[in-house]
Amino acid sequence: QVHLVESGGGVVQPGRSLRLSCAASGFKFSPYAMQWVRQAPGKGLEWVAVISYDGSYIRYADSVKDRFIISRDNSKNTLYLQMNSLGPEDTAVYYCARDNDLSGNGKGYFDHWGQGTLVTVSS
Amino acid sequence: ETILTQSPVTLSLSPGERATLSCRASQSISSFLAWYQQKPGQAPRLLIYDTSKRATGVPARFSGSGSGTDFTLTISSLEPEDFAAYYCQQRGDGYNFGPGTKLEIK
Repeated sequence: QVHLVESGGGVVQPGRSLRLSCAASGFKFSPYAMQWVRQAPGKGLEWVAVISYDGSYIRYADSVKDRFIISRDNSKNTLYLQMNSLGPEDTAVYYCARDNDLSGNGKGYFDHWGQGTLVTVSS
Repeated sequence: ETILTQSPVTLSLSPGERATLSCRASQSISSFLAWYQQKPGQAPRLLIYDTSKRATGVPARFSGSGSGTDFTLTISSLEPEDFAAYYCQQRGDGYNFGPGTKLEIK
């Protein structure tokens, strides 16, 4: 079955960088767009970024634009999120999710989710 | 950017009762709306997409309706496992989520 496992979270100082990974298994990764969503402690869900199946379509939430970079390696079935210039407002559980749009262009909904990885930005 | 609002913030009901959750968009999003369920400590789960289509494995007691700017998630008869947070999400203009409704046991 579909399995998504995030890794790379942890405690990081303000202004530093962190890279998250999301390992996919149980399905053919390359045809699907992928998404990142985050959830601050005790808060709701916030969409972060999307990448199409081939990386040609990428969009970011305004709150992370110019600081975060989404990418993927289809040969490794892995999604990434490079997070730079981190601030306390970036503290959250970060989830990767599969987009169910069959065209792979990120125009769908999030049908499978990982369990998330916690990022804490603190000095 | 389309803003989603959800009401009520908290809904207190008993098992067996009918639950009606609302989601309103600041502008028309056609039928491009989904509902997710999230239990404490767990990842969200897709319940309904394109306003009224049930995701794989979702029980028939969950149904969605609406169009344009006003949408509803209905749970016909609450089971104990249905008490959770529910989020709507639009994909008509971006991907943003509503603030959520907490469905709690009365």
